[in-house]
Amino acid sequence: RKEVEQDPGPFNVPEGATVAFNCTYSNSASQSFFWYRQDCRKEPKLLMSVYSSGNEDGRFTAQLNRASQYISLLIRDSKLSDSATYLCVVTERAGSYQLTFGKGTKLSVIP
Amino acid sequence: EAQVTQNPRYLITVTGKKLTVTCSQNMNHEYMSWYRQDPGLGLRQIYYSMNVEVTDKGDVPEGYKVSRKEKRNFPLILESPSPNQTSLYFCASSPLGGKGEQFFGPGTRLTVL
Repeated sequence: RKEVEQDPGPFNVPEGATVAFNCTYSNSASQSFFWYRQDCRKEPKLLMSVYSSGNEDGRFTAQLNRASQYISLLIRDSKLSDSATYLCVVTERAGSYQLTFGKGTKLSVIP
Repeated sequence: EAQVTQNPRYLITVTGKKLTVTCSQNMNHEYMSWYRQDPGLGLRQIYYSMNVEVTDKGDVPEGYKVSRKEKRNFPLILESPSPNQTSLYFCASSPLGGKGEQFFGPGTRLTVL
């Protein structure tokens, strides 16, 4: 069974801290990778795609290691507004629109 | 505004009473999908559609039906709801040819008594 594994947390960090989330996926055929953010009882929203060379968007950095089937998300200078659940998401295979979701890692940024 | 809408947002019903949750998107996306989200289980796909009149089962299709008669609409039908279908439901859409990122509706919280 295809799986995406994440540490459920919660991660409780002070404002300004750097926090890293990790995710492993079991399907070596997966081709597209994403981090979604989900606020409590709200819909998931795309935070960023993850590219093989790694990519950065402001305070957020995503890394992909295909050999180890491992994805990471680094958040620098955490803000209170970063408090949410972060979902690791992968596609089944090239050209597929089927997404497999991790169960999410909950982050609480505290003043 | 580009969006996915769902109705109703909240619904409490009784076992066996047929219901439909509507989903509509205004982005001309070909791909649409339904998920349910339960504590400790994450998001699981119920059904999906690659285009009009093309639907297929996801991971947990039992007890659900869908139809795709128009590109923008993808209703979820529960013919005879049961308490184990109490959940938070999300509809999502995606353009074909993109990287696979999906855009979600606001969710429908369903309680079956």
